[in-house]
Amino acid sequence: GAVVSQHPSWVICKSGTSVKIECRSLDFQATTMFWYRQFPKQSLMLMATSNEGSKATYEQGVEKDKFLINHASLTLSTLTVTSAHPEDSSFYICSFEKTVGTDTQYFGPGTRLTVL
Amino acid sequence: GQQVMQIPQYQHVQEGEDFTTYCNSSTTLSNIQWYKQRPGGHPVFLIQLVKSGEVKKQKRLTFQFGEAKKNSSLHITATQTTDVGTYFCAGPGKGQAGTALIFGKGTTLSVSS
Repeated sequence: GAVVSQHPSWVICKSGTSVKIECRSLDFQATTMFWYRQFPKQSLMLMATSNEGSKATYEQGVEKDKFLINHASLTLSTLTVTSAHPEDSSFYICSFEKTVGTDTQYFGPGTRLTVL
Repeated sequence: GQQVMQIPQYQHVQEGEDFTTYCNSSTTLSNIQWYKQRPGGHPVFLIQLVKSGEVKKQKRLTFQFGEAKKNSSLHITATQTTDVGTYFCAGPGKGQAGTALIFGKGTTLSVSS
């Protein structure tokens, strides 16, 4: 199956700092990637859709100035949590649709962010 | 907006017992997908159902898609400890751009031996 990597797998940071999370597709190129957030014992919630070469599209209630997304190439998308606060502590997961039109998605292993 | 609901939220069974989780969408779906997330892990794609009334099997797992394409179920026969995890159903939703997935809240299965 398709392989997606995320880095780092976990990070602890102080309140007010910024954290960058990388998501890479390892065996193919993806024009569209998705970023989800999962709080403990809750479901995955879509944060934004990342389109290669253009601005990301954010879901309602997600601050675009706080969660900066850059999809600079067909194999790499980054999510930067700026000025992180404890309430941003969560599991951040990227995914992509490998074959356009199938809707099925392959998920990265996730990044667990803890903000102190 | 579009919602995907799942019940039960939690289920504990003895090893060898059967398990079923149910998924219901507020809108008709073009397809429904099931994912499994082990504790501490990420969601892993299990299956996609596309046709009305479709039934698919994967060893001890049986997936059904309702005739109206608004509900689905996952049934596990004779559970094993390796079945532990959270099972999510998901349907294609209308994100602000592109077709992202709308996930149910998941059913967390625990199995005691």
